[in-house]
Amino acid sequence: AQTVTQSQPEMSVQEAETVTLSCTYDTSESDYYLFWYKQPPSRQMILVIRQEAYKQQNATENRFSVNFQKAAKSFSLKISDSQLGDAAMYFCAYREDSGGGADGLTFGKGTHLIIQP
Amino acid sequence: SQTIHQWPATLVQPVGSPLSLECTVEGTSNPNLYWYRQAAGRGLQLLFYSVGIGQISSEVPQNLSASRPQDRQFILSSKKLLLSDSGFYLCAWSVLWQGTYEQYFGPGTRLTVT
Repeated sequence: AQTVTQSQPEMSVQEAETVTLSCTYDTSESDYYLFWYKQPPSRQMILVIRQEAYKQQNATENRFSVNFQKAAKSFSLKISDSQLGDAAMYFCAYREDSGGGADGLTFGKGTHLIIQP
Repeated sequence: SQTIHQWPATLVQPVGSPLSLECTVEGTSNPNLYWYRQAAGRGLQLLFYSVGIGQISSEVPQNLSASRPQDRQFILSSKKLLLSDSGFYLCAWSVLWQGTYEQYFGPGTRLTVT
């Protein structure tokens, strides 16, 4: 079974600084997707960024970028120019690419990100 | 645009009582639908998913069941709640778009079993 591990229960960063959240995963599959979701206090899960395993290029969405190391099974999220609105729980998630697209997500336990003003 | 609704938003139920949580999606057809549970301080755990009306796959044996009576409606049920059923329940949907599937989540239901 696939597992996703987030080893940082909590991280703190000064506003406008850069922070990196870590995620490792375990799978025997070669085709899969990785995601970072943000869960603010409202508890709404918001998709931040997606990475396809077959793509070597790291995904980027504005201030959010990932460092995807397939051989090491590592998928970290870098947030640049941190803003107060970035404060939230961040979850790393994995989805197998079975072709049908119905596979559910496997989540890590999350990292609580605190932004210091 | 697509919208996903869940109700109720919060629910307090005694042990042994029945449960029915509802999820509906607007603005899309034949979505894949999912139920996840988030226990306190934990990540999300997939409970059920459905690829079509009447088609339900269970991921974790438990005290819950799911049904999909209509294309865009997904219901989570229990005949007798346990204390361990407390948690935050999230419904999600996905469809094929630009060659891939991404899951989008509803606002969730906070269930407290007393």
